[in-house]
Amino acid sequence: DIQMTQSPSSLSASVGDRVTITCRASQSIRNYLNWYQQIAGKAPKVLIYAASSLKSGVPSRFSGSGSGTDFTLTISSLQPEDFATYYCQQGYSGPRTFGQGTKVEI
Amino acid sequence: QVQLQESGPGLVKPSETLSLTCTVSGGSISPYYWNWIRQSPGKGLEWIGYVHYSGSTIYNPSLESRVTISLDTSKNQFSLRLSSVTAADTAVYYCARDYDPSGKYYYYMDVWGKGTTVTVSS
Repeated sequence: DIQMTQSPSSLSASVGDRVTITCRASQSIRNYLNWYQQIAGKAPKVLIYAASSLKSGVPSRFSGSGSGTDFTLTISSLQPEDFATYYCQQGYSGPRTFGQGTKVEI
Repeated sequence: QVQLQESGPGLVKPSETLSLTCTVSGGSISPYYWNWIRQSPGKGLEWIGYVHYSGSTIYNPSLESRVTISLDTSKNQFSLRLSSVTAADTAVYYCARDYDPSGKYYYYMDVWGKGTTVTVSS
C-alpha cells in the first residue's frame, strides 16, 4: 500500500503568516493527491484535489502543488478560521490512504 | 444538495459486531463510490473502505478480515459491519461520497456525514 507522510505534524503561526505543509508518498502517485481541512469536532472538507485544483468555494489563499511523490499545501495569508488540522490523501491506486495530519495552531 | 447521515449504536461490547448505516438524502447512490472513514480519539483519519454503486468493494488491508461494506439501493443507504471489535475500534465513524469532477479518476471525498461516535466497552 501507498504510505503518506506529512510534515510537520504541528506548527505554530500567526494571522497573516504564509504556511507550507508538505506531504510525501511512498511511491509515485502522479497528481492523485487531495488536501482536506478538519476543524476540531467537525467532518473534514476538501480544499484541493488533483494536487493543485482548488475546490469551488475554497478561498484562493489556499494552493497546492507537486507531482510524483512530493506535494505542498500553501496558505498564503493565514486567517483565524484556518486554524485546523490538514490531511493529504492519495487516490492513485489501491486503498485510499491519508497522511497523519498537520495541526496548525496559534 | 446531497446529505449523509450516519446511524447506529453508540456503544458496542468487546468481541461483538459494530453495525452502522449511512443514509443518502437529496441524491442517488449511483454512480458513486461510498466510503467509511474513522477517527480514533485524538488521532488522524483512517480510511476503512468503500463500496461502488455496482456493489464492488475495496477495504483497508489492516481491517479487511473484519470489515464488510454493503449497499441497499432501495433505501438509498450503505452500511458498515466491523466484527470482533476491541477498545481500539472506539472512534468517530464518518461516511463520505467519492466524487470525480473531471471524469479522469481524480476522486475526492466531497460530501461527508457529521460522524457518529462509537465506543467499545463492556
